[in-house]
Amino acid sequence: DQQVKQNSPSLSVQEGRISILNCDYTNSMFDYFLWYKKYPAEGPTFLISISSIKDKNEDGRFTVFLNKSAKHLSLHIVPSQPGDSAVYFCAASKNTGNQFYFGTGTSLTVIP
Amino acid sequence: NAGVTQTPKFRILKIGQSMTLQCTQDMNHNYMYWYRQDPGMGLKLIYYSVGAGITDKGEVPNGYNVSRSTTEDFPLRLELAAPSQTSVYFCASSYFPDYIEQFFGPGTRLTVL
Repeated sequence: DQQVKQNSPSLSVQEGRISILNCDYTNSMFDYFLWYKKYPAEGPTFLISISSIKDKNEDGRFTVFLNKSAKHLSLHIVPSQPGDSAVYFCAASKNTGNQFYFGTGTSLTVIP
Repeated sequence: NAGVTQTPKFRILKIGQSMTLQCTQDMNHNYMYWYRQDPGMGLKLIYYSVGAGITDKGEVPNGYNVSRSTTEDFPLRLELAAPSQTSVYFCASSYFPDYIEQFFGPGTRLTVL
C-alpha cells in the first residue's frame, strides 16, 4: 500500500517561472516530510524538510508547504532554473529514524 | 569527505548466484540503510541499522541479509539471486536523531538474468 503518492510523473516549466510539485500521504502519524532531488545515475540528495508541527519551511528558492488536514504537501521552486531539472521525490517519516516512505517521483524539466 | 560510497556500480548476475553489495560512509553516522528502487517506483527500505551490531528488517527484506560490524560499513548480501531482485540499490546514512535527512550513495545497478 503506497503511503506517499506523487500523482504527477512529470512537469515542464519555463525558466524563471514557478515550479510546484505535489505530494499526498495517507498516514496522519508521520512526523517529518522531506524532499529529495535526483539526477540520473546519482543517488538522491536532500533538499528540504518540514516537521508536522509546521505548515511552511523556506530555504532560498525552495519552499515546502504542509496541509495536514488535506494530508498534502507541495514544493515550490521560485524562480526555476535549468539546473533544477531532475526527479524530485517526496518522503515521509515517523520520528524513529527507521521508517521512511518515498513517493514515486516527479520528473521536472525546466525549459530555458 | 567521500560521503557514502557504494561498489560495484553495475553488476550482472545469473539466477542462483550470490553477491555482496558494499557500502561505506565516512561521516560517523549511526544509522545506515539499504533501499531498492524499481523502475517507476519509489525507494523501498530493505534493511536498516541503528549502530554497529544492530540491524533490522525494513519493508522488503526477503532474499537479502545484512551485517554491521563497524560504524562505517554496511554490506548487503544477496543469496540465490532471482530476476525479481533486478533493481537499483541505494545505501544511505543519517545522524539520527540530530538530523532527519539521509545521505545517499550513487547506487548499484543490478541485473539478474
